[in-house]
Amino acid sequence: ILNVEQSPQSLHVQEGDSTNFTCSFPSSNFYALHWYRWETAKSPEALFVMTLNGDEKKKGRISATLNTKEGYSYLYIKGSQPEDSATYLCAPNAGGTSYGKLTFGQGTILTVHP
Amino acid sequence: NAGVTQTPKFQVLKTGQSMTLQCAQDMNHEYMSWYRQDPGMGLRLIHYSVGAGITDQGEVPNGYNVSRSTTEDFPLRLLSAAPSQTSVYFCASSYTTTGFPYNEQFFGPGTRLTVL
Repeated sequence: ILNVEQSPQSLHVQEGDSTNFTCSFPSSNFYALHWYRWETAKSPEALFVMTLNGDEKKKGRISATLNTKEGYSYLYIKGSQPEDSATYLCAPNAGGTSYGKLTFGQGTILTVHP
Repeated sequence: NAGVTQTPKFQVLKTGQSMTLQCAQDMNHEYMSWYRQDPGMGLRLIHYSVGAGITDQGEVPNGYNVSRSTTEDFPLRLLSAAPSQTSVYFCASSYTTTGFPYNEQFFGPGTRLTVL
């Protein structure tokens, strides 16, 4: 079982603030890292899948970076809006024949206040 | 496409009862998995399958059985329900592309199970 840690556990920001949170994972045997957004009473939805060291992905105001050598990824939200309130989950992939096997961190709960 | 569907949405069982949670996907995805979500525990993998006829255990498999007879369906069976299995259960599917198996997972709407 991979040890995946996300910090902070929760975060409260004001509308318009920019924010970021961290996902730490084992750097050995790295294959890919997923980020998901999970709104209350809904299902998790994929934001990014990242594989290359130094990779940076962007979707609207949300972006993510990846450092596979040191085992961490940052998720950034620029100009937070109330609709960004959600739990953000990261999950590294297992490899080999378990390629679809994800180990999720406990998530960062983001609340954006109007 | 309906995507990933799960039935039922809600279920209440008594300790010792058995039941099957249904999961189906219409995207022809090879990979399917079952997670449970508990407060403070995140999503934990129960069982997964990389194709019809192939299943394997995840992090918390005890008390659950799965089989995958078709690409579309991946039912989760609770053999003898226990209060510790009270949880929200999510099914997910994913796909492979040439040379890249690490694609995003698509989640179903979840089944909320209470065991009394």
